[in-house]
Amino acid sequence: QVQLQESGPGLVKPSQALSLTCTVSGGSISSGSYYWSWIRQPAGKGLEWIGRIYTSGSTKYNPSLKSRVTISVDTSKNQLSLNLTSVSAADTAVYFCARASEQWPWVFDYWGQGTLVTVSS
Amino acid sequence: QTVVTQEPSFSVSPGGTVTLTCGLTSGSVSTNYYPSWYQQTPGQAPRTLIYSTNTRSSGVPDRFSGSILGNKAALTITGAQADDEADYFCVLFMGSGNWVFGGGTKVTVL
Repeated sequence: QVQLQESGPGLVKPSQALSLTCTVSGGSISSGSYYWSWIRQPAGKGLEWIGRIYTSGSTKYNPSLKSRVTISVDTSKNQLSLNLTSVSAADTAVYFCARASEQWPWVFDYWGQGTLVTVSS
Repeated sequence: QTVVTQEPSFSVSPGGTVTLTCGLTSGSVSTNYYPSWYQQTPGQAPRTLIYSTNTRSSGVPDRFSGSILGNKAALTITGAQADDEADYFCVLFMGSGNWVFGGGTKVTVL
């Protein structure tokens, strides 16, 4: 059973960078053909797809965040990482990592529990 | 930019039927978007209900069904139960490993 667990600072100051890690257990992040995504949810609002990295290392980002986002993988630690620069209060949200298959049905089948990040001075 | 639309909220009586929809501000939702539906209760990660328009995920009760209705994807709950009270999100696959999420529908069972 694949499990994902997000971790990182719960509080980030405005204008600084937000860095989160998603540790994958029960399977190798580099095996198979999967997209590993970051998704966020501001309090009381809907989900927003931030971006993804493919098993091969290729990335794609939400156009609205593209200039500030970097997603990477550390295969030695079986971890997925998110770096979001120049944060503001609008980036306060619960951040989830999730896995989707590279081919049909392209569904998010495993999710982490999420981690709350608050941007505040 | 692609925007996915969902009703903000719905109320349904226990045992009743409710249909949630998932549309696009520009264009129609078809099976080519492989729409999927997720259920989320407060403080929890989303749970996959439906994928590829109408395929139920493992363990999902058959009171949940997916379809295309007109130019939208739809999730129907038939015989709603109290524990169906949750937020429901649709997700559209845009190709090349891109997804767009709807804003979610809050379903109240009362």
